[in-house]
Amino acid sequence: DTGVSQDPRHKITKRGQNVTFRCDPISEHNRLYWYRQTLGQGPEFLTYFQNEAQLEKSRLLSDRFSAERPKGSFSTLEIQRTEQGDSAMYLCASSPVGRVVSGANVLTFGAGSRLTVL
Amino acid sequence: GNSVTQMEGPVTLSEEAFLTINCTYTATGYPSLFWYVQYPGEGLQLLLKATKADDKGSNKGFEATYRKETTSFHLEKGSVQVSDSAVYFCALALNTGFQKLVFGTGTRLLVSP
Repeated sequence: DTGVSQDPRHKITKRGQNVTFRCDPISEHNRLYWYRQTLGQGPEFLTYFQNEAQLEKSRLLSDRFSAERPKGSFSTLEIQRTEQGDSAMYLCASSPVGRVVSGANVLTFGAGSRLTVL
Repeated sequence: GNSVTQMEGPVTLSEEAFLTINCTYTATGYPSLFWYVQYPGEGLQLLLKATKADDKGSNKGFEATYRKETTSFHLEKGSVQVSDSAVYFCALALNTGFQKLVFGTGTRLLVSP
């Protein structure tokens, strides 16, 4: 297994354009997460899937953002009508099922997709 | 709300120096605590964790002890190496069914030979 893969690694776009990022999690992981990291800040939770079900969304995920995981495997994060404030690193992570306190469901992060909106 | 505060960087040390990066947290309930490390061009990697009070997490010479009374989880290493240069993030997750991490802002560590 090669870990969590994200594509593209870097995307430069003009304001108002749509962009889509793809995440391929570790194959046996049921859970998939998206986080956003802006310069000089820690990652912030955006949304979470268990299999194909999107179970929680942050208030950071405005109507211009949509995430899918149609077959419970890879996921896409689409940003419509991009704004300069969307410039950030978008991180994907996956984990097996398990309660946090058990320590069993540790997240594995991908290297991220960096978005630059001009 | 839930939040994590960690010391601002960069922290600049010479090789073999002692490292401390402070981390304090605010949480409703009893969170699990984590340190993640981010090397240039790579994804976040879990460094160590502790899931209850007084637990000590350790890995690769790094240690952190979950202190409920001071709501702290300071990262320490007795002798840093140049290869430890990276950004370190303290994080918490509430003990719910899934791991919704709340991160601090990160501390950059620079170790010179």
